[in-house]
Amino acid sequence: AQSVTQLDSHVSVSEGTPVLLRCNYSSSYSPSLFWYVQHPNKGLQLLLKYTSAATLVKGINGFEAEFKKSETSFHLTKPSAHMSDAAEYFCVVCKGGSNYKLTFGKGTLLTVNP
Amino acid sequence: EAGVTQSPTHLIKTRGQQATLRCSPISGHTSVYWYQQALGLGLQFLLWYDEGEERNRGNFPPRFSGRQFPNYSSELNVNALELEDSALYLCASSLLPYGVTSYEQYFGPGTRLTVT
Repeated sequence: AQSVTQLDSHVSVSEGTPVLLRCNYSSSYSPSLFWYVQHPNKGLQLLLKYTSAATLVKGINGFEAEFKKSETSFHLTKPSAHMSDAAEYFCVVCKGGSNYKLTFGKGTLLTVNP
Repeated sequence: EAGVTQSPTHLIKTRGQQATLRCSPISGHTSVYWYQQALGLGLQFLLWYDEGEERNRGNFPPRFSGRQFPNYSSELNVNALELEDSALYLCASSLLPYGVTSYEQYFGPGTRLTVT
């Protein structure tokens, strides 16, 4: 079985300060992991993905995430927040093969204050 | 390249009625997925179709059903609507996810279903 825990339901930062959104996963195999972003009244957009290559993954809009197997974590970071980053972020673990399935975390709402 | 499209954008139904939601995948994608995003419940996997067949199903009652057409577009049908079915229904598509580069899904903007 696989599961994802996003440790914060809401994160608030000031514009220009760093962003950290935390995600822990549980999986009985080597997983693929994703971060998606959902702006208000929009669908989900893929930010970045980890698929057993480099452990530090760079995504769009300056976001990156580091896969740490020993800590079963896949935290999302950005050095400097922008107002347009305000959205909900979902950490996702992927089980491959014939029983392919994505399991979503409950989401972290990021607020960016001016 | 056009993304995943869904129709209608909004749908208002009364309890007991049936709802039909439609999805067109990205060109070249054969797999279509349906998710329910209800307030406070996060994203819940509903159904996965590929090449016209149901490949996997989430923990939803049988009144949630769907199908995939030869052009890979898909319909989600919800029968005997209940108030708790009010949610944003998201469709996603991907290449057949049996290769490492094919695992990610691309999402449409969703259909907001309101049951009164």
